Amino acid sequence: QSVLTQAPSASGTPGQRVTISCSGSNSNIRSNAINWYQQLPGTAPKLLVYSTNQRPSGVPDRFSGSKSGTSASLAISGLQSEDEADYYCAAWDDSLHGYVFGTGTWVTVL
Amino acid sequence: QVKLVESGGGVVQPGGSLRLSCAASGFTFNNHGMHWVRQAAGKGPEWVAVIWFDGSNEDYADSVKGRFTISRDNSKNTLSLLMTSLRVDDTAVYYCARVALYALNYFDGMDVWGQGTTVTVSS
Repeated sequence: QSVLTQAPSASGTPGQRVTISCSGSNSNIRSNAINWYQQLPGTAPKLLVYSTNQRPSGVPDRFSGSKSGTSASLAISGLQSEDEADYYCAAWDDSLHGYVFGTGTWVTVL
Repeated sequence: QVKLVESGGGVVQPGGSLRLSCAASGFTFNNHGMHWVRQAAGKGPEWVAVIWFDGSNEDYADSVKGRFTISRDNSKNTLSLLMTSLRVDDTAVYYCARVALYALNYFDGMDVWGQGTTVTVSS
């Protein structure tokens, strides 16, 4: 089981704002940069957020990352049908000496 | 266009070995650190290994340390993963992924991923 914990699922209607949380500890989220990845079924993960709150070129500004203490969040505003996917947080863990992924959250667009 | 293509997956018995390859194109390969990440069916991704842009340093997840070796040939734009003493729990889709140049460090974002190659360890 991962050291980064996420709720298994989240949902919203088109246009709504959905927030996904990632709970960790001092050795990962508090100390290091957070990444968020989106994974559509049958495809490779796609980088959505790096350095906790930065978006790569081409990622819509509807996606935003943040952290406070030992928790991180990904907010999706203006939810769209194509946002239906698995979302994973990830960070380096100083204690484990490894890059760890969260347990994942499946977002359903109702 | 920027592309990573994995190959070398297959079915192998427990205790066996396999070498995966990742062919890079469309970018300056030797500017980027590279990772291997795997994903078992129905599970989240798991980081496996990283290698520095020039091959001068590498690091491994505890689960594969001493069994897997990551390497690269910058003259051929190729990344490899030699897997030995394979176990049933190594069964997964294996992805190669590129470290983003804009990342803070080697563990702050993989911006290009391959399509993955499947490794099945079974008797």
